[in-house]
Order: sequence, then structure tokens, then C-alpha cells
Amino acid sequence: DQQVKQNSPSLSVQEGRISILNCDYTNSMFDYFLWYKKYPAEGPTFLISISSIKDKNEDGRFTVFLNKSAKHLSLHIVPSQPGDSAVYFCAASARTFPQGAQKLVFGQGTRLTINP
Amino acid sequence: EPEVTQTPSHQVTQMGQEVILRCVPISNHLYFYWYRQILGQKVEFLVSFYNNEISEKSEIFDDQFSVERPDGSNFTLKIRSTKLEDSAMYFCASSRTGPGLGELFFGEGSRLTVL
Repeated sequence: DQQVKQNSPSLSVQEGRISILNCDYTNSMFDYFLWYKKYPAEGPTFLISISSIKDKNEDGRFTVFLNKSAKHLSLHIVPSQPGDSAVYFCAASARTFPQGAQKLVFGQGTRLTINP
Repeated sequence: EPEVTQTPSHQVTQMGQEVILRCVPISNHLYFYWYRQILGQKVEFLVSFYNNEISEKSEIFDDQFSVERPDGSNFTLKIRSTKLEDSAMYFCASSRTGPGLGELFFGEGSRLTVL
């Protein structure tokens, strides 16, 4: 049951260029989306989120775009830096879950490598 | 900066043994979660906990699993009789707000190896 899909298992980008990571979802009840970054042997670290009432959210070098009609979101990192090399997970949740439950459904992750 | 802490960082156990994974969530958080990641696979939701009871659980969270908040600070995941397929990285997470209002903060994980 792949409600959240990241179709690119890996992505390689030159330092200084833009990295674009993509995510698709199938459940139209999802209304809150997050991007997490994960280094080996560490837990996921929150990067940026977006509510379904918006189509863009920006935080420094990171921008998330949401296209609700296409059920697609993307994370843009510009400029890319070597420290950005990690696995990036897209995650989604739905407000209709019972009170107190913020179940996140994760994608499979995309391994981003930034080349110097 | 407050963080979610987990112990042990790595546990090796024999199949059939009981395992308890421990977590200390961020102190003013009210919602607690366990997720797991089998090697090479996605991070999967196991269970959420709020107001001293389970809010939601996945189909993975069968009768072999249980969670407890024994005191004001710890949040534990118990696996009663471990199976080989329970080998995974287990992540505890906590959040201050409820659904769709804020991010989850994850611990560094406890790696469970079942032999």
C-alpha cells in the first residue's frame, strides 16, 4: 500500500546547483506534508512542511511546492551543499485521523549525493 | 536543544526473547510514537500514544507488541517474543501538537538484531 511514493531512489547533483526531490501521493485525505532528512545511523530530522492550504513554503535554501491536483510535491534545495548529502523522506498525514494521532506515512526515500 | 533520546542504541537478541526499547520524549510533548525501518525499506508507522492510551496502531503492531508510559518521562516499546523479521531500526518520536499541526521529532533509533 504505497500511499506516498518517491520514485527516484537516488539523485546526484553538482555543488551549487539546484536539487529537486519529488514525491507523489495517492490518498486525497492527506492535508499536511513534511520532508525529513536522514543521515546513516541517525533518526529522521525535520526539514520543512506544508499544509494543503498552501502551494509553496520556503525556509532558507529549502522550498517545498505542493500541487494538489496532481497529488505531487517537490523539495527544492538551492544552492546544494556537500552537507546536504543524505536520504530525504517525504511524509504525509491526514487531519481526519483520530485526535492525538499524527500518523505519518513515509515514502521510500531518495538518496541525494552532492558532488564537489 | 531538547531531543528525543533512545536506549539501547543497539540490541542483539535470540529469537523468542523479550525486548524492551526505551525512549525519553521531549519533556513538554504530549504525543508519542514508534516507527521502524527495516534495512533498505521505508520508515513505517507502528503506534501512536496520547493521553496514556494508544491512539492508533498499524497492522504490524500485533499482540507481540505493547507500549507503556510507566512514569512521566519514559515511553517504552516491548516485543514479547521476538522474530527474525523484527530486526529493524526502531525510532521513537514525539510531538507537542496534534494532527497536522507540527512536525514529529525523532530519536536516533535503536537497532534491534534478532538471531
